[in-house]
Amino acid sequence: EVVLTQSPGTLSLSPGERATLSCRASQSLSSSFLAWYQQKPGQAPRLLIYAASSRATGIPDRFSGSGSGTDFTLTINRLEPEDFAVYYCQQYGSSPLFTFGPGTKVDMK
Amino acid sequence: QVQLQESGPGLVKPSQTLSLTCTVSGDSIRSGEYYWSWIRQPPGKGLEWIGYIYYSGATYYNPSLKSRVTISIDTSKNQFSLKLTSVTAADTAIYYCARFDYTDAFDIWGQGTMVTVSS
Repeated sequence: EVVLTQSPGTLSLSPGERATLSCRASQSLSSSFLAWYQQKPGQAPRLLIYAASSRATGIPDRFSGSGSGTDFTLTINRLEPEDFAVYYCQQYGSSPLFTFGPGTKVDMK
Repeated sequence: QVQLQESGPGLVKPSQTLSLTCTVSGDSIRSGEYYWSWIRQPPGKGLEWIGYIYYSGATYYNPSLKSRVTISIDTSKNQFSLKLTSVTAADTAIYYCARFDYTDAFDIWGQGTMVTVSS
C-alpha cells in the first residue's frame, strides 16, 4: 500500500502570498498518477490537479502542480481569500487501491 | 452538467447494515468511461476510499473494508449503491459518491451524506 505524507500540516499565510504544499509517496507512482483536491468546510472535495500537473476544468492558473516519482508539490500563487481550505493529495498509481494524504490546512495568518 | 446525489438513512444502529445509493444525472453509467466510487470522511478527519464499480459490474474494494463492503450497480436507473455490514461507531462519516477515471481522477463528487452509527 502506498502511503502519502503531506507537509506542513498547517500553513498560515496572508492573502497575496504564495503557498507551497508538499506530498511525498512511500513508493514511486507510476505515470505520475497524483491528484490534488481542495475542500472547504461543509463541502465535498473539488479536483484541482490531476496527473501531477494538469489543471482540472475551471481551475484558476494560480494553482499549479509539479513533481514525479515520490515527491509532488502544489503551489498556489497569490492566495485569494477563497483559497483558504484543506488540500489533499491522492494517488491512483497503485490501483486498485487509492489512497489520500492526511491533508494540509491553509489558514489565514 | 454531470451531478451525483447520495441518498439513504442518516442513522444506522450498531451491527446493522449501512445502505446508500448514488444517483447519476447528466451522464450514463453505461458509457464505460468511468469507475463509480464511494469515499468516506469521518468527522474532522481525512478521506478514505471505500471502493468502486465499473459499468460491467466489476468491483474493487479497499482491502481494509473488503470483508464488509458490497457495491452494486443498476444501469437501468443510472444508480450505484453501497452496502456496509456490521457497522460500528467507527463507520460514522460523511459518505461521498464520486466519478473516477485514470485521466481525470475523482473529477465529480456528490455533496455527501452524513451517516451516524448509534443505538
